[in-house]
Amino acid sequence: EPEVTQTPSHQVTQMGQEVILRCVPISNHLYFYWYRQILGQKVEFLVSFYNNEISEKSEIFDDQFSVERPDGSNFTLKIRSTKLEDSAMYFCASQRGGDNSPLHFGNGTRLTVT
Amino acid sequence: AQSVAQPEDQVNVAEGNPLTVKCTYSVSGNPYLFWYVQYPNRGLQFLLKYITGDNLVKGSYGFEAEFNKSQTSFHLKKPSALVSDSALYFCAVRAPENYQLIWGAGTKLIIKP
Repeated sequence: EPEVTQTPSHQVTQMGQEVILRCVPISNHLYFYWYRQILGQKVEFLVSFYNNEISEKSEIFDDQFSVERPDGSNFTLKIRSTKLEDSAMYFCASQRGGDNSPLHFGNGTRLTVT
Repeated sequence: AQSVAQPEDQVNVAEGNPLTVKCTYSVSGNPYLFWYVQYPNRGLQFLLKYITGDNLVKGSYGFEAEFNKSQTSFHLKKPSALVSDSALYFCAVRAPENYQLIWGAGTKLIIKP
């Protein structure tokens, strides 16, 4: 069964540095998402992406965050200047359609900001 | 404001017994309801969903959930628990007018042999 893959599995960075989290969604899926899960806390929506543009974003997704689908396969989340509180597990998800088909999640990237 | 509540941080069940993981929600209109499961060091996996129709929905791994509109609940159930069901379970809700899922805090399910 096709899977969503995320790299790296763990990223350690210093405060103020830029990070790019990478995701390869399932190939025939059209909707893409980033969620994050701070350790011990609930999953939080960051952004949804369709037709090469952001369709929805949360309050968390401020100017420090950006998403891109540069080559039709990768879907990236960039954090421009990381803060300590950005430390979390970041999950990418893809969805076949904008209906209620299930989201397929990657295994996540654990981001540690020191 | 839209919200999802999973009132139990942890549920302990003996193997072979029935299990229930509770979820209540607060969303305007007719929400779409989902259950996802998270195994250690893994992403979230879809279990089941309610969109419309029969209030009892069946999903993966023998799980089912019952939508109760009057109680705004969507409890996850399984008639006979397995040790391999031990994981973190998340309830999520989506309002029809937007894309984002609103998540509960998760319930850790522990099945003891």
